[in-house]
Amino acid sequence: GENVEQHPSTLSVQEGDSAVIKCTYSDSASNYFPWYKQELGKRPQLIIDIRSNVGEKKDQRIAVTLNKTAKHFSLHITETQPEDSAVYFCAASLSRAGNMLTFGGGTRLMVKP
Amino acid sequence: TAGITQAPTSQILAAGRSMTLRCTQDMRHNAMYWYRQDLGLGLRLIHYSNTAGTTGKGEVPDGYSVSRANTDDFPLTLASAVPSQTSVYFCASKGQPNTEAFFGQGTRLTVV
Repeated sequence: GENVEQHPSTLSVQEGDSAVIKCTYSDSASNYFPWYKQELGKRPQLIIDIRSNVGEKKDQRIAVTLNKTAKHFSLHITETQPEDSAVYFCAASLSRAGNMLTFGGGTRLMVKP
Repeated sequence: TAGITQAPTSQILAAGRSMTLRCTQDMRHNAMYWYRQDLGLGLRLIHYSNTAGTTGKGEVPDGYSVSRANTDDFPLTLASAVPSQTSVYFCASKGQPNTEAFFGQGTRLTVV
């Protein structure tokens, strides 16, 4: 099955700096890559996603890039704010596996004021 | 709009007892999923259902069973709970492939 690895597991940045979280996936047939944000004690919520026919997608301060050849994708958060502090999960979806999402292990982002 | 809801919110369960975690969605989504989230780990898939009447095993299915009698409900049953099943359980649903999966608020289960 699909395997998704995520790095780093923890990331601490100063407010206003950028944060980058990277994920790799194992199955080249995966075609959908969402990112979820989970605040403490809350449910995961989608913040951005990208499909395999697109190399980059941006939504205000967040962007995702996808390199299909290398089988990795990254989340970029610019001008970080304290409210960005949360756990972020990447995931990959494989059509032949019923479009199930396989999640990475998560990154705890801490933005220091 | 309710979206997707889980019950109970939390539960303490004696080892060896059985329990059913409930999950209901009102979005008419075909696909539903059960994940567990342990401290320091990501979300691991327990069971899934791509449509009413069908179910499948995920990454960590042992000790759990599910049913999908209709579109809206996807209960998860622990037949005989063990302490290693202490976790936060999330139910999720999705409409079309390659679209957003919506999560319930989670059930915190402690097996003692």
